[in-house]
Amino acid sequence: AQKITQTQPGMFVQEKEAVTLDCTYDTSDQSYGLFWYKQPSSGEMIFLIYQGSYDEQNATEGRYSLNFQKARKSANLVISASQLGDSAMYFCAMRELSNSGYALNFGKGTSLLVTP
Amino acid sequence: NAGVTQTPKFQVLKTGQSMTLQCAQDMNHEYMSWYRQDPGMGLRLIHYSVGAGITDQGEVPNGYNVSRSTTEDFPLRLLSAAPSQTSVYFCASSSRRRFGYEQYFGPGTRLTVT
Repeated sequence: AQKITQTQPGMFVQEKEAVTLDCTYDTSDQSYGLFWYKQPSSGEMIFLIYQGSYDEQNATEGRYSLNFQKARKSANLVISASQLGDSAMYFCAMRELSNSGYALNFGKGTSLLVTP
Repeated sequence: NAGVTQTPKFQVLKTGQSMTLQCAQDMNHEYMSWYRQDPGMGLRLIHYSVGAGITDQGEVPNGYNVSRSTTEDFPLRLLSAAPSQTSVYFCASSSRRRFGYEQYFGPGTRLTVT
């Protein structure tokens, strides 16, 4: 069963607007972590933001924030004031405490295109 | 710190050939992993290691071998390459000291099997 679901294969947003990228997850662990990574066309994986399952506040990192709704098992990424350089693939991922080695389960990604 | 390094960046193999993808990290991380990325599939875990001498299988281990003789190095071996192994391969490492510690990725190896 898919542990991370990203339902938006592609998204468009205009420069300076905010955009929300959806992510839902499935786990029976009480302890888990949720991550978002950005992959530009150059191919590297860039860490953006982390949310722990016990964190009461939503995580924020600059223009990135994570809208964490634990009961709904969702961890949406919000990018405020989009920039042209935000055009990239975005991956949601989960780490479960029961998963030895701290490896990540990834979603299939959302392609974001920021237009002028 | 160089972080996570991978060699080669690109490789073309013929079906049946074997090769080793190299991965090294200089952050003294205990945990290392190999992923493959295929179009429309996200990243899938091949093998991982929780320390020197300890490895285990991930989601898609068939056709690959790993070993971890040192903390720094975690090579991935393709035993007999098949076209289905055409993919981009990422090595990653993370520290066991913090559960929320991000996983650091190498730049990737783009492998084509003809």
